[in-house]
Amino acid sequence: DAGITQSPRHKVTETGTPVTLRCHQTENHRYMYWYRQDPGHGLRLIHYSYGVKDTDKGEVSDGYSVSRSKTEDFLLTLESATSSQTSVYFCAISPGQGMNTEAFFGQGTRLTVV
Amino acid sequence: DQQVKQNSPSLSVQEGRISILNCDYTNSMFDYFLWYKKYPAEGPTFLISISSIKDKNEDGRFTVFLNKSAKHLSLHIVPSQPGDSAVYFCAASGTYKYIFGTGTRLKVLA
Repeated sequence: DAGITQSPRHKVTETGTPVTLRCHQTENHRYMYWYRQDPGHGLRLIHYSYGVKDTDKGEVSDGYSVSRSKTEDFLLTLESATSSQTSVYFCAISPGQGMNTEAFFGQGTRLTVV
Repeated sequence: DQQVKQNSPSLSVQEGRISILNCDYTNSMFDYFLWYKKYPAEGPTFLISISSIKDKNEDGRFTVFLNKSAKHLSLHIVPSQPGDSAVYFCAASGTYKYIFGTGTRLKVLA
């Protein structure tokens, strides 16, 4: 299994509070991704990173920011959590060596905004 | 604007029969396609992939077919087993981003 650790695994937070989710990898992969999974929507890309300090928006980036100061860590921040951000969040990594490589996923973080 | 679509939310198949899961995409720039399997409370796991230069790829019981002109791919599982019961996501990649469909829940009946 790819070395990906997401923390926390579960979190309940109040509307309006900031929340940071962490993804840590031990594979030294270049690419890292944050997805959210919601019923009827599948997996939607929030943000991704193609290197240290290099990030870009995905399909559903509004209300989220990311940072990558080290190869191994990719942080997802909800600046002011809303109930619509209640979801399961998955981090993924990819080596990016050439075009045809798969992504490996973490175990997920279940976030509830009350 | 859904670039990758899985139009069947669920599918039930008898054990031992063939399961066929379908996926359509709209962006002709996608050149690599993947299938993932997901069990409850776990992260998605990679199953099989296909490059746009091929039209078929096999791995044991799993075969993926790609029809570029129709922008359609399918996953065949033969024979289906109860342990195959899961949600299956197709994904497409073009520039190091992976765009996923909404998933199909497969139930294999014993």
